[in-house]
Amino acid sequence: SQTIHQWPATLVQPVGSPLSLECTVEGTSNPNLYWYRQAAGRGLQLLFYSVGIGQISSEVPQNLSASRPQDRQFILSSKKLLLSDSGFYLCAWSPGAGANVLTFGAGSRLTVL
Amino acid sequence: AQTVTQSQPEMSVQEAETVTLSCTYDTSESDYYLFWYKQPPSRQMILVIRQEAYKQQNATENRFSVNFQKAAKSFSLKISDSQLGDAAMYFCAYRSEDDMRFGAGTRLTVKP
Repeated sequence: SQTIHQWPATLVQPVGSPLSLECTVEGTSNPNLYWYRQAAGRGLQLLFYSVGIGQISSEVPQNLSASRPQDRQFILSSKKLLLSDSGFYLCAWSPGAGANVLTFGAGSRLTVL
Repeated sequence: AQTVTQSQPEMSVQEAETVTLSCTYDTSESDYYLFWYKQPPSRQMILVIRQEAYKQQNATENRFSVNFQKAAKSFSLKISDSQLGDAAMYFCAYRSEDDMRFGAGTRLTVKP
């Protein structure tokens, strides 16, 4: 069966520091991969999605970036964090487009101080 | 770009009663898919129900059912016989191609 792992679960970082959140999927190949951000009490904002290695679509211009160095690995990064980057970050995967359901990781809570 | 609107930030229901959560969306596509996800306090996103736009029949999953009105671009979720464990944030989502867009969510409280 397929599983999705996301880490770290919790992160407290100072303003201006770098960020790296990692997500890996097991039990499938060539998944669609997604990064969402959920600000406190708000909905999910799509940040990036990828349909293959090295293929990244960015939805919102900001100081975050994403990379997909391997088929089942998706990394969210920042060179310098801002206070506004605080939030709950969710990684998700699906076996393709259309009716396929997104399956989410457990999330990473980022607090920028 | 497609947008998803949930106009009810908060809803409450008495245990064992029925509640309906609203969702509307904006799209120019004819082929797409709609979803309801549940996010309990654990923050884990859980699929509740899915609807294909080409199907006229409303989807049903046990106590959960949808009222899909394609012309009105409306996709409401009905929860029957509400249980304490139904308390959560509920998100409506739209998908046509590779990406999935979510509404702002509705926080459902279930009163014993």
